Amino acid sequence: DAKTTQPNSMESNEEEPVHLPCNHSTISGTDYIHWYRQLPSQGPEYVIHGLTSNVNNRMASLAIAEDRKSSTLILHRATLRDAAVYYCILRSSGTYKYIFGTGTRLKVLA
Amino acid sequence: DTAVSQTPKYLVTQMGNDKSIKCEQNLGHDTMYWYKQDSKKFLKIMFSYNNKELIINETVPNRFSPKSPDKAHLNLHINSLELGDSAVYFCASSLPGQGSEQYFGPGTRLTVT
Repeated sequence: DAKTTQPNSMESNEEEPVHLPCNHSTISGTDYIHWYRQLPSQGPEYVIHGLTSNVNNRMASLAIAEDRKSSTLILHRATLRDAAVYYCILRSSGTYKYIFGTGTRLKVLA
Repeated sequence: DTAVSQTPKYLVTQMGNDKSIKCEQNLGHDTMYWYKQDSKKFLKIMFSYNNKELIINETVPNRFSPKSPDKAHLNLHINSLELGDSAVYFCASSLPGQGSEQYFGPGTRLTVT
């Protein structure tokens, strides 16, 4: 299973953009990149996913490097409610498995 | 309407007991999962069922037995509970396919004393 590497923690000021990096140098051509977040005392929730092209949705944007060995989750304006652990996950073809790493704990400062 | 629900939310029990956690999803998904999150917050998949068929069975003690009576339900039965089983257990569901998102339940906090 391909692995991801994320910083343990990051801080951001409220209403500023946040860029959360993820390295996945062993990604294969058919692996999808998924991002989930886990708010305190809740189950993980889906944020965004992509394969090759950058993706936008109402929660965030996903920027994928051209070689796909890294990606960045972009929160355009962080709010206090965005404080959570953010997980970058690779999902391989032919498997139902998500392998969660340690994630990045995002702290948003008022 | 709750998409993925779990019962109970909290479960406190003694070592050696047998307990069950129930999960139900009303999203019409074919695939359901059980995850365990330990005290260090590592989230690890345990089992997955697709259309009531077991498709993922990670290295989990055989004291843990999942049961899927139908596509909307995936229950987790644990025999002879041990202290190390204390954790938060999350149920999730999804459609098949790599691009499908998983919907997680609120979790069941199991404490074994």
